[in-house]
Amino acid sequence: KQEVTQIPAALSVPEGENLVLNCSFTDSAIYNLQWFRQDPGKGLTSLLLIQSSQREQTSGRLNASLDKSSGRSTLYIAASQPGDSATYLCAATILTGGGNKLTFGTGTQLKVEL
Amino acid sequence: DGGITQSPKYLFRKEGQNVTLSCEQNLNHDAMYWYRQDPGQGLRLIYYSQIVNDFQKGDIAEGYSVSREKKESFPLTVTSAQKNPTAFYLCASSLSGQGNYGYTFGSGTRLTVV
Repeated sequence: KQEVTQIPAALSVPEGENLVLNCSFTDSAIYNLQWFRQDPGKGLTSLLLIQSSQREQTSGRLNASLDKSSGRSTLYIAASQPGDSATYLCAATILTGGGNKLTFGTGTQLKVEL
Repeated sequence: DGGITQSPKYLFRKEGQNVTLSCEQNLNHDAMYWYRQDPGQGLRLIYYSQIVNDFQKGDIAEGYSVSREKKESFPLTVTSAQKNPTAFYLCASSLSGQGNYGYTFGSGTRLTVV
């Protein structure tokens, strides 16, 4: 059974700092790995999708990497801003007998302070 | 703009009552999913549907029911058999349930038992 773990559970940093969020998964036979952002009381916003054949994806100040062999993904946020404060979730997609299945980590709650 | 619409945003249920949560998408996606989110826990899969008129149980289907009569719609009914229904419910869709595709999420429905 796929298990996804995110470390740390919470993180507080000063504005302008570069930071790394970690995600690990137990089953390396993944289709892709997706990073989401969730603001309090809101739905999930997709940030980056990394296919299993890719090593990284970039969007603006965000960069996500994937190392299937070690079961790890990282989300790098450059020059953090207070608007980046949110919970960040990673999710791994695997193929099961019933179709794709997405397994989520419990998230990292990020606070960027002025 | 294409997306997923969940309604209502807030829903209150009395003990012993069935309630239905709406999920509509105009992305022309084949696959749709229902997740439940509880504080401190990752998202858990309730039901999913890969094509119209077909759906499968997820990890926590007991006390829930769904239908998929139209490609655009995947309503979730929380029945009186669900003993602890208070949670945040998220609907998602994907282009296909059998391929390497990312997921798009709605803005969620918060259900509270009163």
